Amino acid sequence: DSGVTQTPKHLITATGQRVTLRCSPRSGDLSVYWYQQSLDQGLQFLIHYYNGEERAKGNILERFSAQQFPDLHSELNLSSLELGDSALYFCASSASRDRDTEAFFGQGTRLTVV
Amino acid sequence: SQKIEQNSEALNIQEGKTATLTCNYTNYSPAYLQWYRQDPGRGPVFLLLIRENEKEKRKERLKVTFDTTLKQSLFHITASQPADSATYLCAPLGAGGSYIPTFGRGTSLIVHP
Repeated sequence: DSGVTQTPKHLITATGQRVTLRCSPRSGDLSVYWYQQSLDQGLQFLIHYYNGEERAKGNILERFSAQQFPDLHSELNLSSLELGDSALYFCASSASRDRDTEAFFGQGTRLTVV
Repeated sequence: SQKIEQNSEALNIQEGKTATLTCNYTNYSPAYLQWYRQDPGRGPVFLLLIRENEKEKRKERLKVTFDTTLKQSLFHITASQPADSATYLCAPLGAGGSYIPTFGRGTSLIVHP
């Protein structure tokens, strides 16, 4: 158990809908990263938050947004969903943002858009 | 642009042999390189980190090398076991002050009994 909790584990929704994925980082970790993993793309970095502030963006679509709350949990919001958004979404946390600390990954949310 | 390359073809080996996986990167100079293991449908799990001033790092049956001239890291599993079957991901980081783990697509290792 990595200590990172993601909910829900599975999500099935229709095109055009909006969903929210939730991540609780390891106790004490200030950094939260979101990744998308689809079969043909590998693990793609989406966005990084550190202590409530957005620090970096990767290949995140404008239809997607995220935030990190004062209690350090994070949510990834996906809207106007398309079939191509079907993927595994992972959250990872680490203790810092500017060192070589390892990232701890949650078990992911499998999103299926139908 | 920055690129991370790992063998896309699965590596099949017999139990007891040494598995060697390759990670090549281009157009940047990471200060560190991490290796992760990922099982199907599960999140990656950190295995080892090696720094640019370290040529080699070992942990039990695992060994990682880091050649900044060749821009390459090799990941070795000695005395491999079927339980080692998984996808292995490399993540160079620390280039330009960025410590965000950015992953290669991984290499699938299959260890046959």
